[in-house]
Amino acid sequence: EVQLVESGGGLVQPGGSLRLSCAASGFTFSIYSMYWVRQAPGKGLVWVSRITSDGITITYVDSVKGRFTLSRDNAKNTLNLQMNSLRAEDTAVYYCVRSRQAGFDYWGPGTLVTVSS
Amino acid sequence: DIQMTQSPSSLSASVGDRVTITCRASQSISTYLNWYQQKPGKAPKLLIYAASSLQSGVPSRFSGSGSGTDFTLTISSLQPEDFATYYCQQSYSTLLYTFGQGTKLEIK
Repeated sequence: EVQLVESGGGLVQPGGSLRLSCAASGFTFSIYSMYWVRQAPGKGLVWVSRITSDGITITYVDSVKGRFTLSRDNAKNTLNLQMNSLRAEDTAVYYCVRSRQAGFDYWGPGTLVTVSS
Repeated sequence: DIQMTQSPSSLSASVGDRVTITCRASQSISTYLNWYQQKPGKAPKLLIYAASSLQSGVPSRFSGSGSGTDFTLTISSLQPEDFATYYCQQSYSTLLYTFGQGTKLEIK
């Protein structure tokens, strides 16, 4: 069974940092591109960052460039999102997602990040 | 970037109704269009991929159509469990799989 489980969310002050992790199981992690998608309270879905299967190509939405860093460890089947200089507008549920060109077929349950003083 | 626009933003319907949601892309995306269903407090679920292919396990009352820039999601006979928010997503641009803004389907 494919599983994606996020961890690392929580309450942080503006300007602070958090590291989100996603543990993948039940599939060959190393052959899939992976995404983080976020959803602010009451809002729609926005992709945040994407990493190719080999970890070579990493893309970020403009609003997080220079602040977020995505990485993966194919040996440990984990995806990590280092989030620095957090802002109130980064408050959202963050989903780890398995990607294929035919859509995002598996999603984790999400982890809530709240940026507030 | 490819922009995705859904209509309507919200919709009220009754159990048994036939419902159609539309999605328009800002440029041609062939059939690289996916549909998701999201219920409150839950992660989205893939319903339709490649514009018209039903994801495994999804009831056959859901269907998708379209190509180029205009797409539709149809629910042939609404069931109580179908009241949710629906999102379209393009997967044509390999770097940026952008979503529509969502359509909230509510009980009339």
